[in-house]
Amino acid sequence: KQEVTQIPAALSVPEGENLVLNCSFTDSAIYNLQWFRQDPGKGLTSLLLIQSSQREQTSGRLNASLDKSSGRSTLYIAASQPGDSATYLCAVKEAGTALIFGKGTTLSVSS
Amino acid sequence: NAGVTQTPKFQVLKTGQSMTLQCAQDMNHEYMSWYRQDPGMGLRLIHYSVGAGITDQGEVPNGYNVSRSTTEDFPLRLLSAAPSQTSVYFCASSYWDGVNTDTQYFGPGTRLTVL
Repeated sequence: KQEVTQIPAALSVPEGENLVLNCSFTDSAIYNLQWFRQDPGKGLTSLLLIQSSQREQTSGRLNASLDKSSGRSTLYIAASQPGDSATYLCAVKEAGTALIFGKGTTLSVSS
Repeated sequence: NAGVTQTPKFQVLKTGQSMTLQCAQDMNHEYMSWYRQDPGMGLRLIHYSVGAGITDQGEVPNGYNVSRSTTEDFPLRLLSAAPSQTSVYFCASSYWDGVNTDTQYFGPGTRLTVL
């Protein structure tokens, strides 16, 4: 059974730092991997989608990489800002199923 | 585009009551799904649909019913509410190519409390 793990569970950094959030999954037979952002009391906002054939995707200050063979993905946030404070969720898509989520990393960026 | 909309935003039920959580999307997505989010458990799939007239169970389907009569709407029915169904419910939609989904878009959620 696929399991998705996110480390660390929580992270506090000062504004301006570059940071990396980690996601690992146990079964490499995935179709894609998606990173989401969730603000308190809100829904999920899609940040980046990486197809299984891709190695990375970039959007603004965000860069996500995927290494299927090792079962890992990282979300890199450059020059962090207080507005980046949120919970970041990683989810993988397998054949015939819906997304399987990790439990998230809660990021706090202080000014 | 309104994207994915959910109503109501908040709901309080008594044990044994029934209700329907509404979900609609205006992106012409074939794939729609319902998740519940609980502290320490993450998001878990309840039911999903790959098109009108087609539904299937997810990880935690007991106590919930769904139907899909149109592409746009995917309501979730609680048959007889129990305190264990206290949770935040999210609806999501995505393009479906018959094999895989693309980026999934989530609604704002319904916060349900069962007393």
